[in-house]
Amino acid sequence: GENVEQHPSTLSVQEGDSAVIKCTYSDSASNYFPWYKQELGKRPQLIIDIRSNVGEKKDQRIAVTLNKTAKHFSLHITETQPEDSAVYFCAASKGLGSQGNLIFGKGTKLSVKP
Amino acid sequence: GAGVSQSPSNKVTEKGKDVELRCDPISGHTALYWYRQRLGQGLEFLIYFQGNSAPDKSGLPSDRFSAERTGESVSTLTIQRTQQEDSAVYLCASSLLRNEKLFFGSGTQLSVL
Repeated sequence: GENVEQHPSTLSVQEGDSAVIKCTYSDSASNYFPWYKQELGKRPQLIIDIRSNVGEKKDQRIAVTLNKTAKHFSLHITETQPEDSAVYFCAASKGLGSQGNLIFGKGTKLSVKP
Repeated sequence: GAGVSQSPSNKVTEKGKDVELRCDPISGHTALYWYRQRLGQGLEFLIYFQGNSAPDKSGLPSDRFSAERTGESVSTLTIQRTQQEDSAVYLCASSLLRNEKLFFGSGTQLSVL
């Protein structure tokens, strides 16, 4: 089955700096890669996702890149702000309505210091 | 309601007791999932429902765990003879289609003493 590895497990940056979180997946059939943000004590929420027919996707300060050949994808946050502090989870699946499940990485705790 | 609702929000139980956790998904969402999140850990898949059937129960850790869904709506996760290692936050999520954007509930914090 699918296995998703996520690095680093913790990341501390200064406000205004960029943050990058990387994930690798094992199943070459996976084609949907969402990212979820979980603030302390709150529920995970989808912040951005990418499908395998796209190499990069941006939404304001957040971007995700995908390298299908290497089977890895990354989350980039620019101009970080204290409210970006949270745990971020990457995930992978074979896509909408597929037979496979959404498999999550173990998470990255991002701390943005003012 | 507007979102996924879970109850209770907190449950403290004694080792060996049975517990039942409830999830009310977003109306119209056919897909429903249960995940377990141990303290400081990731999201561990437990079970997936499509409608009222569970085509994937592969994540249930033992036969002490079971779940059902009725009316293509409410789901309950039952843990029998709870053990201390069952202590975790149990998250429910729903989506329109399998693996489409998941909407999570706020979870049930289960503590087994």
